[in-house]
Amino acid sequence: AQKVTQAQTEISVVEKEDVTLDCVYETRDTTYYLFWYKQPPSGELVFLIRRNSFDEQNEISGRYSWNFQKSTSSFNFTITASQVVDSAVYFCALQAYNNNDMRFGAGTRLTVKP
Amino acid sequence: NAGVTQTPKFQVLKTGQSMTLQCAQDMNHNSMYWYRQDPGMGLRLIYYSASEGTTDKGEVPNGYNVSRLNKREFSLRLESAAPSQTSVYFCASLRDMRQSGANVLTFGAGSRLTVL
Repeated sequence: AQKVTQAQTEISVVEKEDVTLDCVYETRDTTYYLFWYKQPPSGELVFLIRRNSFDEQNEISGRYSWNFQKSTSSFNFTITASQVVDSAVYFCALQAYNNNDMRFGAGTRLTVKP
Repeated sequence: NAGVTQTPKFQVLKTGQSMTLQCAQDMNHNSMYWYRQDPGMGLRLIYYSASEGTTDKGEVPNGYNVSRLNKREFSLRLESAAPSQTSVYFCASLRDMRQSGANVLTFGAGSRLTVL
């Protein structure tokens, strides 16, 4: 069975601080995909990034960066110089390559204060 | 506009009543999903359908039934609603896994269901 754990329920930071959201996963599959989604206060779910299990290269997109470490089964998400607009619930998700079952973590609510 | 459309957006039911949440996508996606979102529990998979004519249970299928009516539509039915089914329900769709870059879920706007 697949499982995603986001141990941080809520995080509060002051604008311009850096913040890292943790994601730990469990799977028996050797090939899989990891995702991060954002849910702003408006409620819609927005895709942020997808990572294949065979590609451990870290990725940076503007203020966002992702650190994938297969050895520790973690896929952490860092926001640099946070902004109020980053306030949202962030979800990590896992999908096996040969299975359409996609599982999400419990989410981390990030609040960025001005 | 292309995307995933869910109806209704809001619904209040009494315990024991039945209802169906409708979901339709116009992106020609093969797979469709129903999730429920509860505080502190994240998004939990109820059922999914990998293709027309197939459905599979997710993490929390009890109390629900689904129908993949055709490639576009995937409905979720509560036969006898219970207060524990009070939640926000999201439908999502996804293209074939084997297509490169295709396995990103597109979500509907959500349906807020309250069972009294």
